[in-house]
Amino acid sequence: QVQLQESGPGLVKPSETLSLTCTVSGGSVSSGSYYWSWIRQPPGKGLEWIGYIYYSGSTNYNPSLKSRVTISVDTSKNQFSLKLSSVTAADTAVYYCARGEMATIIHWFDPWGQGTLVTVSS
Amino acid sequence: SSELTQDPAVSVALGQTVRITCQGDSLRSYYASWYQQKPGQAPVLVIYGKNNRPSGIPDRFSGSSSGNTASLTITGAQAEDEADYYCNSRDSSGNHPFVFGTGTKVTVL
Repeated sequence: QVQLQESGPGLVKPSETLSLTCTVSGGSVSSGSYYWSWIRQPPGKGLEWIGYIYYSGSTNYNPSLKSRVTISVDTSKNQFSLKLSSVTAADTAVYYCARGEMATIIHWFDPWGQGTLVTVSS
Repeated sequence: SSELTQDPAVSVALGQTVRITCQGDSLRSYYASWYQQKPGQAPVLVIYGKNNRPSGIPDRFSGSSSGNTASLTITGAQAEDEADYYCNSRDSSGNHPFVFGTGTKVTVL
């Protein structure tokens, strides 16, 4: 059973770079046709898809965040990571990692990590 | 368009049936997936594709789709079904690979 766990600083200063890591257990980030994804949720608000890295290494990002986002994978550690630069208070959110799958017109995110709250404040 | 619209809140009497809808142009081309989120917890996949339930999801949850609308139905709602529900779809415009709906708060009375 695949499990995902986010880790990283819970507090980031404005204008700095947010860095999070998702550790995958029970499966490999380099096997299967999976889209390793990041999704966030500001306090009291809805879900926002940030981006994914495909098992092959290709990436795709939310256009609204594309200029500030980088998602990478470390196969030796079975982890994938998120970097979001030039953060502001609007980036304060719970950040989730999730495994995505797609098959023609069908897609889904399962499982999800438990989420980690990142607060942007000086 | 990359928007998915859901009713903000719905209520259902214990044991009755409730349908949650999600509207958006992309749903004419792609199926939605549905997620249940309880307070302080991560979202959980409940329905994907035409009407597929992951292992462990009760069969009182079902999905359907017609035109630009996807629906999640809970038949015989239980107290533990009280939660926020989000739909998600790929974006047919090609500019925004995935988009989430605005979310629906389901209250079981």
